[in-house]
Amino acid sequence: GESVGLHLPTLSVQEGDNSIINCAYSNSASDYFIWYKQESGKGPQFIIDIRSNMDKRQGQRVTVLLNKTVKHLSLQIAATQPGDSAVYFCAENSNTGNQFYFGTGTSLTVIP
Amino acid sequence: KAGVTQTPRYLIKTRGQQVTLSCSPISGHRSVSWYQQTPGQGLQFLFEYFSETQRNKGNFPGRFSGRQFSNSRSEMNVSTLELGDSALYLCASSLDRARQFFGPGTRLTVL
Repeated sequence: GESVGLHLPTLSVQEGDNSIINCAYSNSASDYFIWYKQESGKGPQFIIDIRSNMDKRQGQRVTVLLNKTVKHLSLQIAATQPGDSAVYFCAENSNTGNQFYFGTGTSLTVIP
Repeated sequence: KAGVTQTPRYLIKTRGQQVTLSCSPISGHRSVSWYQQTPGQGLQFLFEYFSETQRNKGNFPGRFSGRQFSNSRSEMNVSTLELGDSALYLCASSLDRARQFFGPGTRLTVL
């Protein structure tokens, strides 16, 4: 079956530092990946996505890196702010319709 | 555009009852997916509907079912509720094979 996992369940960073959240996936056929942020009491919120024909994609303060060789995905958040405190999920899609597999999530805590 | 809406937001049921949850996708989105989220299991895929047809199904028992209407609105039904069905049920809509936008979820508590 599909397997999307996260290396660290929790991450604490100082405000202003950069954060890196990692994700490993097992299906080499996966070709579309999304990072989501979920705050308490809310549904997941789209952050950034990347397709397998790219290695890197940047957004506002966020960068996603994709390493297909080792099936690894990472989310980098620059100048982390208290509002970035949330649980972050990676999700993968392997061209089987619109079925996404989600990782277990990493809880990011930003220390003021 | 209005976001994904889910009703009701909170629901309390007892074991053995059945429940129906509703999801209205973003206008123009024909794909609606449902997920169950629990603290220990994360987000688990239930099923996906596209143009009124179930296109994908996760590993849940037959007590979990769904449907999609011609206006893309979707409902999911859980029959014979069990305590373990207590969870946050999330609906997500998207264009085909594109980023999914989630609703706020329905918090179901089974007593």
